[in-house]
This record gives sequence, C-alpha cells and structure tokens, in this order.
Amino acid sequence: QLQLQESGPGRVKPSETLSIICTVSDGSISSSSYYWGWIRQPRGKGLEWIGSVYHTGSTYYNPSLKSRVAISIDTSNKQFSLKVYSVTAADTAVYYCARRDGSSYYPDDYWGQGTLVTVSS
Amino acid sequence: DIQMTQSPSSLSASVGDRVTITCQANQGLGHYLNWYQQKPGRAPKLLIYGASNLETGVPSRFSGSGSGTHFTFTISSLQPEDVATYYCQQCNDLPVFTFGPGTKVDLK
Repeated sequence: QLQLQESGPGRVKPSETLSIICTVSDGSISSSSYYWGWIRQPRGKGLEWIGSVYHTGSTYYNPSLKSRVAISIDTSNKQFSLKVYSVTAADTAVYYCARRDGSSYYPDDYWGQGTLVTVSS
Repeated sequence: DIQMTQSPSSLSASVGDRVTITCQANQGLGHYLNWYQQKPGRAPKLLIYGASNLETGVPSRFSGSGSGTHFTFTISSLQPEDVATYYCQQCNDLPVFTFGPGTKVDLK
C-alpha cells in the first residue's frame, strides 16, 4: 500500500521560507500515470490546492500562489518538496502531500497524514 | 476560473437516514468531479471519482451522480462513522483542481 509522509519545520517566522518534504514509500514515484502534489488547509477552513509536480520535473501551480511557491521532485530518493517563500500568518495551515492519478479523472487517491506549519515570530 | 458551491453547508441526520449533498460548478465539468470525506484531524479520503465511480474499498452506501454543472453525493443509510466533512473537487480545469467549500455531516 502506497504511503506518503510529510516532514516539516512546525514553525516558521514571518518573511522566511517554509520547506516541507514528502517521502513516498511502498510504491513508485517515477510512474508516468501520476502527479505528486501539495494541498493545504488552514484550521477550520477548506482545502486549497497549491501545486503538483510530474516525475519529469514539470510543475503546475495555483495561480494565486505561483509567485511564492516552488515544488521539486527527487526520484532517486522518492521524495518531492514544497517551498513557500516570504510566508505570512495566512500561510499557517496543515500541509498535505498527495498523489494524483492522471490516468482517470485525476483524483487525489493517496494522501499523507499532514503536517501543521505555524507562521509566528 | 471554475467556482464550486456545495449545499447544504452542514446537516444533521439520524443513523439510517438517507443523506444527499449537492455540488454545483459555474462551468460544465463533464464527469470530472470527485468526492472526498474528511474526518476531524485526518487527511481527506477519496470516495468517488469521475462523478459516479466508487473508489476501491469504499462502502457501497456511498454513491455519486451528475454531470455538467450539477452533481449529487448520497449516503444511502447514514452510519455513525460517516460523521465527517465532505468535499467535492472539480478536475476539469487543468491544472488547478478547485475544491468545494465542504458539507459537514453530524448525527442528530
């Protein structure tokens, strides 16, 4: 059973860079059928798609965050990562990594457990 | 941009009740609509993809229907473990797949 696990800093200071890594286990990160993405959820609020990366390194971003976000993939270590630059309190959220199945209707079919990142000085 | 709405925003129902949630889009999606369940403190879980296809391992009391701009999600007989927030997600507007605002389901 595919597993995804986020590892993040817990707390980041305003104006700094948030960095989270997602490690994939018990499955391939290099399959041409899947995209690997990030979704976030502020406490008590809904889900916001941040962006995705393909195994080739091609990236896709939410236009609302595109200027401050970078996603990359390391297939040799079965990891992909998220960076959010110049963070503010509005970036405080639980960050999830997920696999998107590109072969049929693009569902996010596997999710990590999520990691809470708090932006605070 | 595709905007998604869900109704109701919350509901209370009894065990055994039939529960229906609707999701509407401001543009046609074909069948490119997925449904997720999120329990408190947990990651979302895929229930339905392609508007009506049940994800493997998901109980058959969950179902989805619809196409275009109007979609329906149904729990045929509500169980205590179904208490959760349910989200629709459009997957037609590549690459930004917008989620609906969610519907919180509680037990009466």
